Amino acid sequence: TQLLEQSPQFLSIQEGENLTVYCNSSSVFSSLQWYRQEPGEGPVLLVTVVTGGEVKKLKRLTFQFGDARKDSSLHITAAQPGDTGLYLCAWRGAGSYQLTFGKGTKLSVIP
Amino acid sequence: DTGVSQDPRHKITKRGQNVTFRCDPISEHNRLYWYRQTLGQGPEFLTYFQNEAQLEKSRLLSDRFSAERPKGSFSTLEIQRTEQGDSAMYLCASSYGGSGGVEAFFGQGTRLTVV
Repeated sequence: TQLLEQSPQFLSIQEGENLTVYCNSSSVFSSLQWYRQEPGEGPVLLVTVVTGGEVKKLKRLTFQFGDARKDSSLHITAAQPGDTGLYLCAWRGAGSYQLTFGKGTKLSVIP
Repeated sequence: DTGVSQDPRHKITKRGQNVTFRCDPISEHNRLYWYRQTLGQGPEFLTYFQNEAQLEKSRLLSDRFSAERPKGSFSTLEIQRTEQGDSAMYLCASSYGGSGGVEAFFGQGTRLTVV
């Protein structure tokens, strides 16, 4: 089973600051997804990255897939309280439809 | 369409009782998934249906758990003889498409508390 390590586990920052969270594995991902989950809600897909070195932007969020497809990062610029939530990365194995999630990074943005 | 719908949102039950949860996927989504999420963890896969066929089951799905999707639309997840360790958020997700259709949309979940 391919394990996903997410870091940091918790992050508390002031509104307006920048931050980066990470998702790593010792194995190669075929593709990787990032989700955001708010308390009491289900995860919501933010992005899927497929190609090594790929960079995708979603407003103030920048997602990067490592060249070797073993790691990914999510960078948030000028964080806002609405960014508060649990950020999860997930991987789907070849030939399978199940997603394997990391434990997530719990982000709190303080106004 | 209002998205994936789960019922109930919250359930408190006594240890040893049976509980059943319902999931209504997005219409026309042929794939349906159940996940379980405990505090401080990411969701863990339980089982997957393509139409009415249950195609994947996790080892987490003990004999006390059973899932059905009789007509390929809504699904139910039943837990028999609940234990305190079953307390968790149970998430349902659905997706549509061929081999590339794996963007899963999640419901709001059913939070189960076993006392």
